[in-house]
Amino acid sequence: QSILTQPPSLSAAPGQKVTISCYGSSSNIGTKYVSWYQQLPGTVPELLIYDNDQRPSGIPDRFSGSKSGTSATLGITGLQTGDEADYHCAAWDDSLGAVVFGGGTKLTVL
Amino acid sequence: QVQLRQSGPGLVQPSQTLSLTCGISGDSVSSTSAAWSWIRQSPSRGLEWLGRTYFRYKWINDYALPVKSRISINADTGKNQFYLQLNSVTPEDTAVYYCARWTHHTGYFDQWGQGTLVTVSS
Repeated sequence: QSILTQPPSLSAAPGQKVTISCYGSSSNIGTKYVSWYQQLPGTVPELLIYDNDQRPSGIPDRFSGSKSGTSATLGITGLQTGDEADYHCAAWDDSLGAVVFGGGTKLTVL
Repeated sequence: QVQLRQSGPGLVQPSQTLSLTCGISGDSVSSTSAAWSWIRQSPSRGLEWLGRTYFRYKWINDYALPVKSRISINADTGKNQFYLQLNSVTPEDTAVYYCARWTHHTGYFDQWGQGTLVTVSS
């Protein structure tokens, strides 16, 4: 069972907006920065959002991140079939002295 | 352009030691702004951070509690690479293993190796 909690799966239609939640605690999300990773089928995870809400160069502004208290949210607007992937959240956990991940959310674009 | 290149066997026998290497180009394993991590992924456990090594006036290692008694991560500054050793493996250790760079200031993985599927089986 993962320390950070994400919904296992979500689905939405092309063009729609979707939000993926990531719930943690005061020892991780509550006091540390959150990052998000996109993992397309059969590929390596790729950094999507860092420092809660920052996009690396090359990541379209359809992707956004936010944090409030002990939870974080990844938003994707204008969904495309190419957005079908697993999305993972991560943060450092001070109590564990470790990086913790969410269980991953499989996004299906119908 | 930072690149991480993994190497190592894809099959390990139960009770033996899993050994992987991650070669770094475009950065230094001694960088004081990065930490060099190993992560694994399996269908049952998702992404699981195993540990890291980094240099801050001395070498420091952090390991995940579930593997702390079996893991060792070390760096070789001459070859600019770092290593994973996981002892006494069981089929539960079967996974895709990744090396990754963790930027130390705020903390995120911005570079990943290509991944190595390691199967533990006789």
